[in-house]
Amino acid sequence: DAGVTQSPTHLIKTRGQHVTLRCSPISGHKSVSWYQQVLGQGPQFIFQYYEKEERGRGNFPDRFSARQFPNYSSELNVNALLLGDSALYLCASSAAGGTAEFFGPGTRLTVL
Amino acid sequence: SQQGEEDPQALSIQEGENATMNCSYKTSINNLQWYRQNSGRGLVHLILIRSNEREKHSGRLRVTLDTSKKSSSLLITASRAADTASYFCATPETGGFKTIFGAGTRLFVKA
Repeated sequence: DAGVTQSPTHLIKTRGQHVTLRCSPISGHKSVSWYQQVLGQGPQFIFQYYEKEERGRGNFPDRFSARQFPNYSSELNVNALLLGDSALYLCASSAAGGTAEFFGPGTRLTVL
Repeated sequence: SQQGEEDPQALSIQEGENATMNCSYKTSINNLQWYRQNSGRGLVHLILIRSNEREKHSGRLRVTLDTSKKSSSLLITASRAADTASYFCATPETGGFKTIFGAGTRLFVKA
């Protein structure tokens, strides 16, 4: 069975640009979460979506937005990129919120 | 706020030795999870232990949970060079949906 997939693997952007990251959950999983991980730290929660509805949001500015599609895949959008947005962005899926989450390989975003 | 904190921050051992990592958290939990991360890539789910469990095994991994001390430990027996990675404990947010991670323990296993 395919695990969580994310695209792209790596991305380089400049300040002020916007970026869209994509995630496909494990088949049958309806919950998708997004995390930001900066170097040397643990992942920080950004969003969780379940059945296309936002169920939770972390302490991130409104420049960060996300959505979930009918097939449960998800997109994370970040506008007006800042240097500090450089990080590994991880997507995780679970059968339902509150159960074990399974992570994708991540998208490495570098903002120059 | 609820948070898992791992100890030590870094651990260096020889192949064949055992590695023990500890995690402390602040509030009541329903479960606690351990993850491994290789070279800044995706996290691999290792084990989930529920609040009514005290010990759980998976291959060379042994996890304990002490809810009275709000702590957990991950033991890797007979370590291998391939075990070199960062290890994170994670707890679900009380009354919420997000998973909260600590800063992790960086394990180096020397061949």
